[in-house]
Amino acid sequence: SQQGEEDPQALSIQEGENATMNCSYKTSINNLQWYRQNSGRGLVHLILIRSNEREKHSGRLRVTLDTSKKSSSLLITASRAADTASYFCATGGGFDRGSTLGRLYFGRGTQLTVWP
Amino acid sequence: DSGVTQTPKHLITATGQRVTLRCSPRSGDLSVYWYQQSLDQGLQFLIQYYNGEERAKGNILERFSAQQFPDLHSELNLSSLELGDSALYFCASSVAGSSGAAGYTFGSGTRLTVV
Repeated sequence: SQQGEEDPQALSIQEGENATMNCSYKTSINNLQWYRQNSGRGLVHLILIRSNEREKHSGRLRVTLDTSKKSSSLLITASRAADTASYFCATGGGFDRGSTLGRLYFGRGTQLTVWP
Repeated sequence: DSGVTQTPKHLITATGQRVTLRCSPRSGDLSVYWYQQSLDQGLQFLIQYYNGEERAKGNILERFSAQQFPDLHSELNLSSLELGDSALYFCASSVAGSSGAAGYTFGSGTRLTVV
């Protein structure tokens, strides 16, 4: 399956702590993306890392990608209560207009709870 | 507001019925994707349309169908509904035929409850 698998399934931390979520996948990829979903709402795109990149930053987010291990991690630094959400990794998306790789495969997600 | 509009937000219907879910993609986006999210299956890709044409098909049941109209809005038709079809149905859009560098933009979903 092309689906990514997040680990842990659930993570509970205090405000100010860092949160690390991991994603493993099975096939070669063009890129890997992370999304956030607040309870019962639509997913929000957080960050995309290409297969030739090893690390990427966006604000308090840091994503790493190790294609040799087929794994990625999402680090949220100095977490806030507002970061409470489910976080999904997604693989499979391409870049080309003519690409048939438009579909994304999502994992089951990590439920992050940040306590004030 | 993400720019992707889904209607209705909630739908409660009986088994055996047929419903239509509607999605208007973000302005300028040509691709529309439909996903089903349930507790037991997670997020499952159903189907993708690009500029009016079907581009990719996933785990979409034969009882389900979709189309994308010339104005690029899309409809997902679910018929002969079963209890197990109860789920959140999301529409997402992207500029190109793929997710591109900016990923998908998701709508807020339609929560379907079949009773």
